[in-house]
Amino acid sequence: DQQVKQNSPSLSVQEGRISILNCDYTNSMFDYFLWYKKYPAEGPTFLISISSIKDKNEDGRFTVFLNKSAKHLSLHIVPSQPGDSAVYFCAAEGYGNKLVFGAGTILRVKS
Amino acid sequence: NAGVMQNPRHLVRRRGQEARLRCSPMKGHSHVYWYRQLPEEGLKFMVYLQKENIIDESGMPKERFSAEFPKEGPSILRIQQVVRGDSAAYFCASSHAGTGTYEQYFGPGTRLTVT
Repeated sequence: DQQVKQNSPSLSVQEGRISILNCDYTNSMFDYFLWYKKYPAEGPTFLISISSIKDKNEDGRFTVFLNKSAKHLSLHIVPSQPGDSAVYFCAAEGYGNKLVFGAGTILRVKS
Repeated sequence: NAGVMQNPRHLVRRRGQEARLRCSPMKGHSHVYWYRQLPEEGLKFMVYLQKENIIDESGMPKERFSAEFPKEGPSILRIQQVVRGDSAAYFCASSHAGTGTYEQYFGPGTRLTVT
């Protein structure tokens, strides 16, 4: 059962434009959400997180939006840079601390 | 900047051998998590440990897999009698504490290949 879904396997964006990565979840018990970025042959790197009591969190070029009623979150990257090209994983945390990951979205930023 | 350390980075084992994967958490972190990533998939939770305690092993296969986090030394993920299906990237993560507001930081992973 896929409790966290990233329905877009890949996304291609022009440098300087906005990248929007989407994530849906099914379990209403999730109370904390995180985005990780991963380069090939490396471990995931924490990017940004959001608690379920908030609907927006911003950190520099990265903003995460949470819509609890729709069980949907998104990561906005503005402006996109070539170095942002990587796989982005959405993860959710509920009781017991274990993270449930989506399958990832490959972001390609073209210069 | 001592992040999460994992070794070895690459491990090749023949079917039936044992694999031992090591993880040293970030300084100050007392909670360790192991995840597995199969090709073309996201990371899947395996086990959550604190020093000398297994907190949650609901993601661990029932047989051949075990994990420990001793009082001294790194956390160890042990796979006995490996099979080809165990080939994957194994990631360790650590956090300050076990509440929901602490992010998990990942190591570089161990890529296990079973021949």
